[in-house]
Amino acid sequence: EPEVTQTPSHQVTQMGQEVILRCVPISNHLYFYWYRQILGQKVEFLVSFYNNEISEKSEIFDDQFSVERPDGSNFTLKIRSTKLEDSAMYFCASSESSSVQETQYFGPGTRLLVL
Amino acid sequence: GNSVTQMEGPVTLSEEAFLTINCTYTATGYPSLFWYVQYPGEGLQLLLKATKADDKGSNKGFEATYRKETTSFHLEKGSVQVSDSAVYFCALNRYSSASKIIFGSGTRLSIRP
Repeated sequence: EPEVTQTPSHQVTQMGQEVILRCVPISNHLYFYWYRQILGQKVEFLVSFYNNEISEKSEIFDDQFSVERPDGSNFTLKIRSTKLEDSAMYFCASSESSSVQETQYFGPGTRLLVL
Repeated sequence: GNSVTQMEGPVTLSEEAFLTINCTYTATGYPSLFWYVQYPGEGLQLLLKATKADDKGSNKGFEATYRKETTSFHLEKGSVQVSDSAVYFCALNRYSSASKIIFGSGTRLSIRP
């Protein structure tokens, strides 16, 4: 069964450093998402992406964050200058359509720790 | 705004017990409702979903019915197993400018042998 994959599974970085989290969505999916889960808190929507453009972003997704689809398979989340509060589990998801009935399939997550 | 409220955990049950995890939502229009499960050390997996009122989603012995009149989507299972130990998230999808899922806070379930 097709699945969303993410790399790395864990990332430790120093405050102020740039990190890039990578995702390979399911191959025939057109809509891509990033969510994050701070330890012990809710899973929160960050951004949705379609046709090489951001469709919607949350208040969390400020100028320090960017997303890109650099080729036909990868979807990346970049944090330009990490802060301590960026420590979280980051989930990538993808779906075939943007319908509310459509299932979003999630990857296993990247656990980011900012020191 | 749109939100999901689910019962706080942790919930601890003995094997073969009956499970209910309560979930209520606030949303305008007609959201789709989901239960996702997160097993230890793993990502989020879709457990079941319902896309309109009175629909029942079911999977792996779990069930939930979309109740518009009570704005609820409670998760039930008749006889839980140790392997059901996980964190369960109730969620909704309400189209705004793009599809995005709004999650509840999660309920940790532990099953004793």
